[in-house]
Amino acid sequence: SQQGEEDPQALSIQEGENATMNCSYKTSINNLQWYRQNSGRGLVHLILIRSNEREKHSGRLRVTLDTSKKSSSLLITASRAADTASYFCATVRGATNKLIFGTGTLLAVQP
Amino acid sequence: DTEVTQTPKHLVMGMTNKKSLKCEQHMGHRAMYWYKQKAKKPPELMFVYSYEKLSINESVPSRFSPECPNSSLLNLHLHALQPEDSALYLCASSQDLGNANTGELFFGEGSRLTVL
Repeated sequence: SQQGEEDPQALSIQEGENATMNCSYKTSINNLQWYRQNSGRGLVHLILIRSNEREKHSGRLRVTLDTSKKSSSLLITASRAADTASYFCATVRGATNKLIFGTGTLLAVQP
Repeated sequence: DTEVTQTPKHLVMGMTNKKSLKCEQHMGHRAMYWYKQKAKKPPELMFVYSYEKLSINESVPSRFSPECPNSSLLNLHLHALQPEDSALYLCASSQDLGNANTGELFFGEGSRLTVL
């Protein structure tokens, strides 16, 4: 079963625009992670934010975490056609090593 | 070496066949995972191995049988599968940081399985 839900389910933007994806989750977490998946390929880790962090940056990526609202957002700035992919948030459920993925956002960046 | 290698990339099998999917990593990671992914869906956790011992089985049917022969290898043995088991099977590894503190997972490219 899924821990998180993401919205929007799909997002289409023009190159150069910013893309924002949101993730909501249900239980308390130690960290929240974002992954990218190109069509039919494996997943690539983008960024990890710990529960005591509120914001984190990595290159063109900015992630925020609001534990009071159990939500996170991923912002990709100055998007490129190569950013076209599915993006998933993932959280660890309970006191386990279970990394559970959200429903994902399919991002299409038009050249 | 930050790669997780999965073989085969594609596998077609009948419902009476026995086959295996293989996964290898040389990053010294002590946690390894199997995920199943259907089209347009998120990956679903199947199994987690920690220090070569099965630590999590997400109520997966017994026709899927995982095996961890050593810290670098993870297998998934397949027997008497159903057409609905057709999916992308993803292997991943991570440093075992202890409960509830799972860090970054490194994924392989997956094995695409078709059951006829």
